[in-house]
Amino acid sequence: GQNIDQPTEMTATEGAIVQINCTYQTSGFNGLFWYQQHAGEAPTFLSYNVLDGLEEKGRFSSFLSRSKGYSYLLLKELQMKDSASYLCAVMDSNYQLIWGAGTKLIIKP
Amino acid sequence: IAGITQAPTSQILAAGRRMTLRCTQDMRHNAMYWYRQDLGLGLRLIHYSNTAGTTGKGEVPDGYSVSRANTDDFPLTLASAVPSQTSVYFCASSISTSGGRNEQFFGPGTRLTVL
Repeated sequence: GQNIDQPTEMTATEGAIVQINCTYQTSGFNGLFWYQQHAGEAPTFLSYNVLDGLEEKGRFSSFLSRSKGYSYLLLKELQMKDSASYLCAVMDSNYQLIWGAGTKLIIKP
Repeated sequence: IAGITQAPTSQILAAGRRMTLRCTQDMRHNAMYWYRQDLGLGLRLIHYSNTAGTTGKGEVPDGYSVSRANTDDFPLTLASAVPSQTSVYFCASSISTSGGRNEQFFGPGTRLTVL
């Protein structure tokens, strides 16, 4: 079957750096997405990786290793507004997104 | 409007009743999707549409039906609601269903409770 694993919850301190990991096993691979979802709101797109390596966008970076079935989202200079759930999703061979359950990130002052 | 709208925002429904959740996008996206989101689980695809006039089944289609009469609208119908359909429902759209950076844009969601 298809599976996306990510930690259920993480806690970090304002101003620090946090890395949220995602491992996947899917039927085919057409890219990996990270979304942010604040409580009670819709998911919003953060990043997309299809080739191995690091994609940087401001305070957020996303890394992909296709051979290891592994990705991480790196958040730098954490702010209180970064408190949210972070969803990892893989596009499979049918071009459908398979979603992880999300990682709830709690930021403490 | 800009983006995707959903209606209603929330609804409490008696089991056995019929309910249609509405979704409209103004981005002229070809592809649209319906997901449900339950605590502890990832978003699960209910139905999708690659383009107006076509629909397909996702991971959890039973008890739900959709139609895509035009590009903008993609309603989801529960023919006879059951308590296990209590969930938050998100509608999403993307330019197409092909590969590449083809991110999905989400509506604000409908919180449905079936009693």
